[in-house]
Amino acid sequence: DAGITQSPRHKVTETGTPVTLRCHQTENHRYMYWYRQDPGHGLRLIHYSYGVKDTDKGEVSDGYSVSRSKTEDFLLTLESATSSQTSVYFCAISGGLLLTDTQYFGPGTRLTVL
Amino acid sequence: GQQVMQIPQYQHVQEGEDFTTYCNSSTTLSNIQWYKQRPGGHPVFLIQLVKSGEVKKQKRLTFQFGEAKKNSSLHITATQTTDVGTYFCAVMDSNYQLIWGAGTKLIIKP
Repeated sequence: DAGITQSPRHKVTETGTPVTLRCHQTENHRYMYWYRQDPGHGLRLIHYSYGVKDTDKGEVSDGYSVSRSKTEDFLLTLESATSSQTSVYFCAISGGLLLTDTQYFGPGTRLTVL
Repeated sequence: GQQVMQIPQYQHVQEGEDFTTYCNSSTTLSNIQWYKQRPGGHPVFLIQLVKSGEVKKQKRLTFQFGEAKKNSSLHITATQTTDVGTYFCAVMDSNYQLIWGAGTKLIIKP
């Protein structure tokens, strides 16, 4: 497996609180992604990064922000968590020349917003 | 935006039976990727298809890309318990983002 870790692995929080999820890679890959996975929806892209301080929105970016200050770290922040953001969050990386080259996934973070 | 329909949502099979999942798009695809996710795990890349009519095999798994590059299939011959999981296709949209099918869950009947 590619060197990708996510923290925390599980989190329970209350509506309205800020939450930050961290993705850390040791592969020095250029591209990093945040997805959410919900039953019946497959994976949906939230935000992605194509380099340090270079990020862009995905399909479901509302309510989320990201930051990438170092190649190895990509942070996902929920400024004010809502129950609709209860989900499993996966970070992915890819190192090819193309944005859609093979993606390697972290173990996931299960977030519950009460 | 780009959408890909994946069917069926679930497939229950007896061990030893075959399994097939299909992905369909209304537009021509540049390529298609297939991933497998074991229960409680993360998606793992299986293969990428690029050429029209392409057929690739990985042991008991056969991947096909349609002649018109609008559909693809994954076929597993003689399923085993190790095949259990959800199989996803993923395609690129016009913004160079991967759009994922909803997945087909392979369930082996006890």
